[in-house]
Amino acid sequence: GENVEQHPSTLSVQEGDSAVIKCTYSDSASNYFPWYKQELGKRPQLIIDIRSNVGEKKDQRIAVTLNKTAKHFSLHITETQPEDSAVYFCAATGSNRDDKIIFGKGTRLHILP
Amino acid sequence: DTEVTQTPKHLVMGMTNKKSLKCEQHMGHRAMYWYKQKAKKPPELMFVYSYEKLSINESVPSRFSPECPNSSLLNLHLHALQPEDSALYLCASSQLGTRNSQRGNTDTQYFGPGTRLTVL
Repeated sequence: GENVEQHPSTLSVQEGDSAVIKCTYSDSASNYFPWYKQELGKRPQLIIDIRSNVGEKKDQRIAVTLNKTAKHFSLHITETQPEDSAVYFCAATGSNRDDKIIFGKGTRLHILP
Repeated sequence: DTEVTQTPKHLVMGMTNKKSLKCEQHMGHRAMYWYKQKAKKPPELMFVYSYEKLSINESVPSRFSPECPNSSLLNLHLHALQPEDSALYLCASSQLGTRNSQRGNTDTQYFGPGTRLTVL
């Protein structure tokens, strides 16, 4: 089945700098890659997603890149702000193209003042 | 309306109690999910309902019993839980689901706020 690896587990960046979180997946048939942000005590919220027919997608300060050949995808946050502090989860569709998505273990992002 | 609602927000129960968690969505989504999330861990899939039929059971103990009364509602019945079952229980829904033997495309899952469950 699908396996998603996420790095780093913790990331601290100075406010205003950029943050990059990287994920790899194992199933070459996966075709959907969402990113979720979860603040303490809150629900996971979708912040951006990408499908396998594109290589990059951007939404204001957030961008995601996908390299299908290497089976990795990354989240880029520019001009980080204190409200970006949260846990970020990458995910990928499971094998068999069912309704399952497989989550990475998460990255705790700290924005330092 | 992209809202998934869950009740109750918090639940404390003893190991001999029977309780139910409820989830509702009015987005016309045909796939609904139950996840369990422990602190500092990703959500862990428990069940998937697709077109009101149970399509995935991730080998969940029988003390957890899901029910999908209609396309908008999803319940999780709890009985004889253990302290290690204490966690945040998240419901999610997505627009598309597999139907019988057809393969569907996984689509965006929207999460509810969760129920914080404590088992004493």
